[in-house]
Amino acid sequence: DTGVSQDPRHKITKRGQNVTFRCDPISEHNRLYWYRQTLGQGPEFLTYFQNEAQLEKSRLLSDRFSAERPKGSFSTLEIQRTEQGDSAMYLCASSFSDNYGYTFGSGTRLTVV
Amino acid sequence: GESVGLHLPTLSVQEGDNSIINCAYSNSASDYFIWYKQESGKGPQFIIDIRSNMDKRQGQRVTVLLNKTVKHLSLQIAATQPGDSAVYFCADATGTASKLTFGTGTRLQVTL
Repeated sequence: DTGVSQDPRHKITKRGQNVTFRCDPISEHNRLYWYRQTLGQGPEFLTYFQNEAQLEKSRLLSDRFSAERPKGSFSTLEIQRTEQGDSAMYLCASSFSDNYGYTFGSGTRLTVV
Repeated sequence: GESVGLHLPTLSVQEGDNSIINCAYSNSASDYFIWYKQESGKGPQFIIDIRSNMDKRQGQRVTVLLNKTVKHLSLQIAATQPGDSAVYFCADATGTASKLTFGTGTRLQVTL
């Protein structure tokens, strides 16, 4: 296990379509995070899981966004009815509990056209 | 809401010189601070962190300084190398909260 893996690396979708991203964290890590990053900005927190429990969601996470981590391992982030404003880099990270030194994946770049 | 921000959007330094990247934070309750490096097309990479009970911490070629009085954080990179060229982000967290609040980033350009 060499790090946090995200799939796909790039996704282009038409407005209104649904998209789903996958994150595979470092296997020993029990926490998994999703962040969103737009060009020139720092990452913004979306949500995080401890094992399979989703413990916090940002107000940025509208009703069109849903994240799951069904078995406490990989996670998916789904965006329904995509809008152009959803275009961003979606970053996943993982860590041990109470360790802020996350390991980030390389992200999924979403472009909504 | 409160956020972490950076003074300089772009910093250009010559190879071999020392770099100093500054960051101001606004949340007086923040007690954990971290620096990340992000290269183009990659996710942020952990560099160094510091807790609020310290004012200085050193790593390999990097030093983080924390001034809680003026809510200021800096990252010093010694003998800057071309491989240090990237965008650097500071971030903070509070207590048992798990989320980091990132600033907007400073681009470090290393010239030969």
